[in-house]
Amino acid sequence: QQQVKQSPQSLIVQKGGISIINCAYENTAFDYFPWYQQFPGKGPALLIAIRPDVSEKKEGRFTISFNKSAKQFSLHIMDSQPGDSATYFCAASRDAGNMLTFGGGTRLMVKP
Amino acid sequence: DAGVTQSPTHLIKTRGQQVTLRCSPKSGHDTVSWYQQALGQGPQFIFQYYEEEERQRGNFPDRFSGHQFPNYSSELNVNALLLGDSALYLCASSPAGETQYFGPGTRLLVL
Repeated sequence: QQQVKQSPQSLIVQKGGISIINCAYENTAFDYFPWYQQFPGKGPALLIAIRPDVSEKKEGRFTISFNKSAKQFSLHIMDSQPGDSATYFCAASRDAGNMLTFGGGTRLMVKP
Repeated sequence: DAGVTQSPTHLIKTRGQQVTLRCSPKSGHDTVSWYQQALGQGPQFIFQYYEEEERQRGNFPDRFSGHQFPNYSSELNVNALLLGDSALYLCASSPAGETQYFGPGTRLLVL
């Protein structure tokens, strides 16, 4: 019941396109859903996070959509750039400070 | 303002040895969590320290232990190293109950 499933495992998008990564969770006690970006050899960096009281949150080119009834959430990267090429992880926890359960990651490549 | 720092950056050990990894949290953060990230996978929670006590623990054996010091810095100790312990070990810090910020990690290779 602690799993977070992430798809796709890899994604290739043209520059200027929209990148979409999906996650599904099972534990209904989760109430904090962050997305992290990780470059090779670096630690994960927080991109954006959402709580289940809102269905969408936007920060710049990054948008999280949240569907509480389906227990799914997704990350949309608008106007994708080559510099966005990285591995993206969704995560979930009971609150922001508690143990994070991570998805398996999506390796994004944005072609120039 | 320095972020989360970890030392060493890389480490090579042999099976059966013991290792200690160190983490200094971001200024103002009193909670430290440790995660293990195997190659090509998402991080997995090991444990969390707050007020020098282990507050939460993931599904890791007792070979993994930790400590938090009065200045909030933390150590992760792994005894009797196995080949499968080879991974990137990540430290994350936060103010209690708030968003976690990760350090760059320590890459451990067990031969």
